[in-house]
Amino acid sequence: DVKVTQSSRYLVKRTGEKVFLECVQDMDHENMFWYRQDPGLGLRLIYFSYDVKMKEKGDIPEGYSVSREKKERFSLILESASTNQTSMYLCASSPRIRRNSPLHFGNGTRLTVT
Amino acid sequence: AQTVTQSQPEMSVQEAETVTLSCTYDTSESDYYLFWYKQPPSRQMILVIRQEAYKQQNATENRFSVNFQKAAKSFSLKISDSQLGDAAMYFCAYRQATSGTYKYIFGTGTRLKVLA
Repeated sequence: DVKVTQSSRYLVKRTGEKVFLECVQDMDHENMFWYRQDPGLGLRLIYFSYDVKMKEKGDIPEGYSVSREKKERFSLILESASTNQTSMYLCASSPRIRRNSPLHFGNGTRLTVT
Repeated sequence: AQTVTQSQPEMSVQEAETVTLSCTYDTSESDYYLFWYKQPPSRQMILVIRQEAYKQQNATENRFSVNFQKAAKSFSLKISDSQLGDAAMYFCAYRQATSGTYKYIFGTGTRLKVLA
């Protein structure tokens, strides 16, 4: 079974702090994704990566950056956290070859910025 | 741009009854994939069922089945013999089949309540 692990289930940070959300997958997947989930808005893609050191912006990249130094790890960085970044963050992965493959999700990190 | 619409923010069903969750999408592509995901209170998103657009036959997984109407761009999920464990948020998702395309587009979700 694919396992996608997000380092924190709950996180509380102060406005202006630099925040790191970590995600690790154990199935050698090429693709990794960061989504933000808000009530009534569904899941919105922040960034994705299709290979080590490769990244592409999603629909809402403003205020975020990412890092993928190793294939299994994909980090989401909030350079200066703001209250409007309070949300649920979901990491996901998928293999590149099988195009009909679904996303495999982590358990989510609920971030509160005060 | 592709979009996915789930018009029912919340649905309720009596235990053991059948419920249908609706999903429509907009695309100009002919080859794509559609998915239904379930997110229980534990927050772990789980794949329920998937459908390839080139397949005319509707996908089925045990008590879960879809009604895929390609011309109408509709992809509804039917849950038969509903169980308390089916209570969750359900998300419909679309992915273009073009090689090199990695983006999945999600609907806003439907919260399903199962009444005992």
